[in-house]
Amino acid sequence: AQSVTQLDSQVPVFEEAPVELRCNYSSSVSVYLFWYVQYPNQGLQLLLKYLSGSTLVESINGFEAEFNKSQTSFHLRKPSVHISDTAEYFCAVTRQTGANNLFFGTGTRLTVIP
Amino acid sequence: DVKVTQSSRYLVKRTGEKVFLECVQDMDHENMFWYRQDPGLGLRLIYFSYDVKMKEKGDIPEGYSVSREKKERFSLILESASTNQTSMYLCASSLSRIRVNTEAFFGQGTRLTVV
Repeated sequence: AQSVTQLDSQVPVFEEAPVELRCNYSSSVSVYLFWYVQYPNQGLQLLLKYLSGSTLVESINGFEAEFNKSQTSFHLRKPSVHISDTAEYFCAVTRQTGANNLFFGTGTRLTVIP
Repeated sequence: DVKVTQSSRYLVKRTGEKVFLECVQDMDHENMFWYRQDPGLGLRLIYFSYDVKMKEKGDIPEGYSVSREKKERFSLILESASTNQTSMYLCASSLSRIRVNTEAFFGQGTRLTVV
């Protein structure tokens, strides 16, 4: 089975400061990795995903994540956060073959302070 | 754009009532999922379906059932609501069982309160 660990439940950060949201996963098979974002009172939206190829993937709003197979990590980073980045962020994995259920971490609430 | 629509944003029900949560997607996706979201626990899978009339249990199916009579609609049923089922319920869909690298699209969520 797959599992995802997000160690930081809450991350407060000042506006324009850098941020890293940590994600580690466990799986006996190859997986695809995702970050989803949930803005207040909304459903989840895909932020970025790693399928294959370059281990560094980027989103359109300045976030990036790096797949590290040896450390089984997929940390999310942004060099300079905005107030509008305040949201809950979920890391998720799914098997590359077979049942493609998404397994989610417990989420990290990012609060950007003006 | 894919749209996943959940019939209610907020519901208040009494203990013991039968509760139906409806979800409709408009992109001909094969896969549909029901999750519940609780603080500190993330999203936990209740049931999922890969095809019409097909269902499989997720991680926490107890106290729930589902129905998928049409490809676009996936219903979650609480046979006898209890206070510990107070939660946010999220429906999602994705393209197919074969195309596992495609993203899941989520509805806005239904916040259910059982009193």
